Amino acid sequence: EPEVTQTPSHQVTQMGQEVILRCVPISNHLYFYWYRQILGQKVEFLVSFYNNEISEKSEIFDDQFSVERPDGSNFTLKIRSTKLEDSAMYFCASSERGGVLNEQFFGPGTRLTVL
Amino acid sequence: GIQVEQSPPDLILQEGANSTLRCNFSDSVNNLQWFHQNPWGQLINLFYIPSGTKQNGRLSATTVATERYSLLYISSSQTTDSGVYFCAVSSSGGSYIPTFGRGTSLIVHP
Repeated sequence: EPEVTQTPSHQVTQMGQEVILRCVPISNHLYFYWYRQILGQKVEFLVSFYNNEISEKSEIFDDQFSVERPDGSNFTLKIRSTKLEDSAMYFCASSERGGVLNEQFFGPGTRLTVL
Repeated sequence: GIQVEQSPPDLILQEGANSTLRCNFSDSVNNLQWFHQNPWGQLINLFYIPSGTKQNGRLSATTVATERYSLLYISSSQTTDSGVYFCAVSSSGGSYIPTFGRGTSLIVHP
């Protein structure tokens, strides 16, 4: 069964450093998403991406965040200058459709630790 | 935005027991999913169920959209069912981006 994959599974970085989290969505999916989950809290939406553009973003997704689909398979989330409070699990998701019928499939997550 | 409340927040069961998890939401929805977050943090899709009833093995779910709730049933629970169960909904009147509840933390003892 096709699945969303994410790398790395765990990333440790120093405050102020840039990190890039990588995702490979399910191959026939057209809509892509990033979420984060701070330890012990609920999953929060960051950004959605379709047709090489951001379609929606939350208040969390400020100027230090960016997303990119650099080729036909990868979808990346970049954090330019990490802060302690960016420590969280980051999930990538994809869906075949958008709008009402967007059943989303999640990757296994990348645990980001900022020291 | 839409409010999502899950109950109970915590649940402890003996292996073999049955349970019902509930998700209430404050507005009409066009999309509802149930997820299981295992102890390693992975989010596993359980059901895509904006309305009606679905079953998959020992798990089943029912969404009554007109009354703004969904139920997840776990029968004959196993230790591997342990983890956190999340409900995520998208409001009919707003964005299609799902809002997650705070989850039900389930521990199944052998």
